[in-house]
Amino acid sequence: EPEVTQTPSHQVTQMGQEVILRCVPISNHLYFYWYRQILGQKVEFLVSFYNNEISEKSEIFDDQFSVERPDGSNFTLKIRSTKLEDSAMYFCARPDRITDTQYFGPGTRLTVL
Amino acid sequence: AQTVTQSQPEMSVQEAETVTLSCTYDTSENNYYLFWYKQPPSRQMILVIRQEAYKQQNATENRFSVNFQKAAKSFSLKISDSQLGDTAMYFCAFMKHVTDSSYKLIFGSGTRLLVRP
Repeated sequence: EPEVTQTPSHQVTQMGQEVILRCVPISNHLYFYWYRQILGQKVEFLVSFYNNEISEKSEIFDDQFSVERPDGSNFTLKIRSTKLEDSAMYFCARPDRITDTQYFGPGTRLTVL
Repeated sequence: AQTVTQSQPEMSVQEAETVTLSCTYDTSENNYYLFWYKQPPSRQMILVIRQEAYKQQNATENRFSVNFQKAAKSFSLKISDSQLGDTAMYFCAFMKHVTDSSYKLIFGSGTRLLVRP
């Protein structure tokens, strides 16, 4: 099963601050996905990222969000000016090369105060 | 637009018994994939089982099996011989094709399963 790690596991920030969430696949992948889960709610798609470009994004993924692959291996999700409602679990997921099944990282819990 | 509905917010089962979690979905596509993911208290999302829509045979993974009814757009999960470690949220998900090689998952609202000792 593909392995994905995410850092940090928990991030606490003040409203209006920028946060960067990181995702590291064990082996090279061109595709990557980000999802969000507000506490007690369902998991929602944010964005898919292919070969250093966004291939699809949801309505949630507004101008406050951006994704990058800064060093060819890590994938990052940046929230420029956090709001209280950005408090959630953020998951990255990578697809299996053959089946396209998405395997999730352990998630980053973001708390905005 | 595709939607996924899980009508049971909470379920409870006695250890070693069998439980079935319901899921229905709506789509106009003919080829797609369906999944069940488990989310224990750690909040990690763990793949339980996968079903390809073009396959008539129901998928099974050890104690987990599905009842896939394509015409009815129903995709239920059966857990046999329930164990305490099965206590978790279970999410049904539909995989939507968005580009040639890119997909996104659309999740239901989840069913909280409690396995009683």
